[in-house]
Amino acid sequence: DAGVTQSPTHLIKTRGQHVTLRCSPISGHKSVSWYQQVLGQGPQFIFQYYEKEERGRGNFPDRFSARQFPNYSSELNVNALLLGDSALYLCASSLGRRSYGYTFGSGTRLTVV
Amino acid sequence: GIQVEQSPPDLILQEGANSTLRCNFSDSVNNLQWFHQNPWGQLINLFYIPSGTKQNGRLSATTVATERYSLLYISSSQTTDSGVYFCAVEGPRAAGNKLTFGGGTRVLVKP
Repeated sequence: DAGVTQSPTHLIKTRGQHVTLRCSPISGHKSVSWYQQVLGQGPQFIFQYYEKEERGRGNFPDRFSARQFPNYSSELNVNALLLGDSALYLCASSLGRRSYGYTFGSGTRLTVV
Repeated sequence: GIQVEQSPPDLILQEGANSTLRCNFSDSVNNLQWFHQNPWGQLINLFYIPSGTKQNGRLSATTVATERYSLLYISSSQTTDSGVYFCAVEGPRAAGNKLTFGGGTRVLVKP
């Protein structure tokens, strides 16, 4: 079985641009969460989606948005990119709204120049 | 929100040595996981352990939920154990559906 898949693996963008990151959860998992990890720190929660609805949001500006599709895959969108948005973006998949454990993808490494 | 503290922040081991990593958390938890992050950034789930003790090969973990701490034991360490170990918790329902991570323990195992 495929694990959590994320695309792209690496991305370089210019300040002010927009970026879309994609995530496919483990088959049968209905919940997708997004995390941002800057160098040297632990991941920080951005969003959780369950059954296509937003179920949680971290302390991130409105430039960050996300959605979940009927097949439970998800997109994370970031507008008006700043240098400080450079980070590893991780997607986590879990079976239900309250987890029985989260499984993470390999991440998308975003560099903003 | 819930606070998660890990110690030590850095650990250097000689291959074959044993070690204990600690995770303290500030509130009751519904979920606690230990992860190993490899040099490529992949977070690998080691244990889902909101309470009790589990073992997987050379690794074992114990969570004492009533005292709000968890321990990860690495025995007979190998160079492939190098990386960053994170403890992450999911707090009470009112706190939302999210994992809160500690700052991590950076482990270097020397041959």
